This record gives sequence, structure tokens and C-alpha cells, in this order.
Amino acid sequence: DAGVTQSPTHLIKTRGQHVTLRCSPISGHKSVSWYQQVLGQGPQFIFQYYEKEERGRGNFPDRFSARQFPNYSSELNVNALLLGDSALYLCASSLSTANYGYTFGSGTRLTVV
Amino acid sequence: AQKVTQAQTEISVVEKEDVTLDCVYETRDTTYYLFWYKQPPSGELVFLIRRNSFDEQNEISGRYSWNFQKSTSSFNFTITASQVVDSAVYFCALGSGGSNYKLTFGKGTLLTVNP
Repeated sequence: DAGVTQSPTHLIKTRGQHVTLRCSPISGHKSVSWYQQVLGQGPQFIFQYYEKEERGRGNFPDRFSARQFPNYSSELNVNALLLGDSALYLCASSLSTANYGYTFGSGTRLTVV
Repeated sequence: AQKVTQAQTEISVVEKEDVTLDCVYETRDTTYYLFWYKQPPSGELVFLIRRNSFDEQNEISGRYSWNFQKSTSSFNFTITASQVVDSAVYFCALGSGGSNYKLTFGKGTLLTVNP
């Protein structure tokens, strides 16, 4: 079985640009979550989607948005990129809630210059 | 609010030594879940263990063991006879019953096992 797949693996963007990150969950998993991991820190929760509906949102500005598609894959969009958005963006899937444990992808390394 | 503290930023040991990674958590919920994840240089977070707040039994899995103590709000992780392949960043995380859509992570402990 394929694990959680994320694309692209690496990305370089300029300040002010927009970026879209993609995630495909494990087959059968209906929940997808996004986390931001700044260098030297633990992952910080951004969003969770379950059955295509937003279940939770972390303390991130409105420049961050996400959606989940009928096949349960997901996109994370970030507008008006700032230097501080440079981070590893991790996608995780689970059967339902986080308390059952997530399976994480390898992440997308975003660098904003 | 939930909080996870991993006071040890970096630990360096020599192969075959035992090492314990500390984790202290804060939550007001009576139902919660604790996790440990391993993050190798590749970046992927690898799930190691999940425990719920009602099960304080210690657990052993091969060279890994976990000590859960509600009285001190701690969930420590011990690697016995460490190996070079254990080198990674280890994260403790808290999933609370009240906000079951997210995990709260500590800042992680970088473990380096030297040959």
C-alpha cells in the first residue's frame, strides 16, 4: 500500500507569490491534516479536513487555506508568501480523528526568497 | 490549552548506551492520547507509539520502552542499547479528547548515537 504522498518535494518561491501543495492520503483514510514545521521546532497544526469538511483550524492567518476533494486528496494554498512561511509542510492522514494517530508524508520543503 | 515540553534539545550517546527522552505534558482534559514520533533526516514523521490517558501500563517494544506517569504528567521514552540508526529527532505529541482534530507537538529532541 502506498503511504501518504506529497508533491512537490521541494519548492522555491518569491515573496508575494502564491503556492499550492498537494497531498494524497493512504487509501481508505478520510481525514487529512496539514502541519507546518519550521526548522528546529515541532510541527504546528494548520488544518484538518474530514469527509471534505473543515474540522479544525490552527492559529494561522487567512493567507492559508485548504480543501479536500471527493477522492480525499487535499491541497494547501498559501497566498502572499512571506519569508517566514519557509518551512517543511507535512500532510498526515488518518481514519478519522487525530487521536487514532496520523501517518505522515515526507513533506514539502518550501523556501521563500 | 495543551502544551508539550521536551526539555532536552539535544542528546549525544555512544552506541550501546541506554538513553531516555523526557516528555512532560499539560492538558485539562481527562481523556487524552500521547504519542511518540521519530523524524529521520528524510523528514517523514514515523509513528512509534500511542497511549490513552486511562492506560498507565508501561510498554516495551524490542529496544524501546515507554513510562507513562499521570501523577507527574510525563511520558518518557527509553531506548536500550542504542544504535546509530536510532539517530533522529524524536517528538512527543498530545491529542486531547476536547480537540480531537489536532496533535500538539513538543519541540523535539535530537538524538545522536555515535559509533
